[in-house]
Amino acid sequence: GQNIDQPTEMTATEGAIVQINCTYQTSGFNGLFWYQQHAGEAPTFLSYNVLDGLEEKGRFSSFLSRSKGYSYLLLKELQMKDSASYLCAVLDSNYQLIWGAGTKLIIKP
Amino acid sequence: GAVVSQHPSRVICKSGTSVKIECRSLDFQATTMFWYRQFPKQSLMLMATSNEGSKATYEQGVEKDKFLINHASLTLSTLTVTSAHPEDSSFYICSARVQLAGESYEQYFGPGTRLTVT
Repeated sequence: GQNIDQPTEMTATEGAIVQINCTYQTSGFNGLFWYQQHAGEAPTFLSYNVLDGLEEKGRFSSFLSRSKGYSYLLLKELQMKDSASYLCAVLDSNYQLIWGAGTKLIIKP
Repeated sequence: GAVVSQHPSRVICKSGTSVKIECRSLDFQATTMFWYRQFPKQSLMLMATSNEGSKATYEQGVEKDKFLINHASLTLSTLTVTSAHPEDSSFYICSARVQLAGESYEQYFGPGTRLTVT
């Protein structure tokens, strides 16, 4: 079966760094997406990784290891507005997105 | 990033009526468009995938006669909920995927439509 695992909830402090992990087992792999979703809103595209390594975009970075079926999203200099759910999704061999359940990130002052 | 618009953002309709939701990619042409629904505190559920000019592919359990999808152009897709019932009340989100050079993809979501059927 296809499976995406990420922690249900994480808590971090404003100004700190947090790493949200995602592991996957899917039928084929055509890339991995990270999205941010605030309550009551649609997801916002953060990153897409298809090759191994780290991609940095401002305060957010995303890492992929295809051999390990593993990715992480790194958030630096956390701000209160970063409190949201972070969704990991893999594009499988049929180019369908397989979704993780999301990680709720709580930022404390 | 690219922008996907969705209209209306909120709609309340009476049971038995039909509602049309529009999804547009504003500054890019989407390879493929997707329709999702999301219940509170749950992950997105894919309803159907549509490519311009062809029939939509529906996921198992989604009634294609009830959720009509028309993909008129590379920038417009519509979802019509026919004969709506209270259990159709949900957050409907469209998404547009674009394939970039080098087998890279980006996929953007519309802001969503909150449908309430009374």
